[in-house]
Amino acid sequence: QVTLRESGPALVKPTQTLTLTCTFSGFSLSTSGMCVSWIRQPPGKAPEWLALIDWDDDKYYSTSLKTRLTISKDTSKKQVVLTMTNMDPVDTATYYCARSRDGYNSPDYWGQGTLVTVSS
Amino acid sequence: EIVLTQSPGTLSLSPGERATLSCRASQSVSSNYLAWCQQKPGQAPRLLIYGASSRATGIPDRFSGSGSGTDFTLTISRLEPEDFAVYYCHQYGSSPPEYTFGQGTKLEIK
Repeated sequence: QVTLRESGPALVKPTQTLTLTCTFSGFSLSTSGMCVSWIRQPPGKAPEWLALIDWDDDKYYSTSLKTRLTISKDTSKKQVVLTMTNMDPVDTATYYCARSRDGYNSPDYWGQGTLVTVSS
Repeated sequence: EIVLTQSPGTLSLSPGERATLSCRASQSVSSNYLAWCQQKPGQAPRLLIYGASSRATGIPDRFSGSGSGTDFTLTISRLEPEDFAVYYCHQYGSSPPEYTFGQGTKLEIK
């Protein structure tokens, strides 16, 4: 059974760095073709893809946000971590991690998401 | 970056009716790497269709996807009460990967 769960602070201040952890089970990120993405969704808006890390430790980022994002994985802990620097109120959103398999496919399993509010 | 435009923004229908949702891409989506997701309030998106026309595991056959190139359609043949939700198309075929989502179509009960 595949599950993913996001964890991190619910509230961050402007200019701070956000660190989110995705803890997953039911698959291995060292298996060929497996990927984990971070996707966010501001309230009432469409999802926005942020970053992806694959089984080979290759990393890909949204062009518009790449200077602020870092994605990494700990295969043994079954965790993927996303950091986003210089947080702003417009970054207020629900942040999801999601799994894809067989390469860079549409995610087939999503976590329940974690709401991050950026406010002073 | 491929921009996806969905129409209509809101679709008002009754249970039992047929729903047709549209997604148009700003440039051709390679290998039809176009997916549809359903999202209900307070829940994560759920994958319905991938590869433009393949149903994901456990998705009822009243959901079908079609299209190629820049024009794609999600059809729900007979609406059930649980189908009223927001639907997003999203493309994932670019290399290097840079997934994009449409702005969504809200399917509401008439």
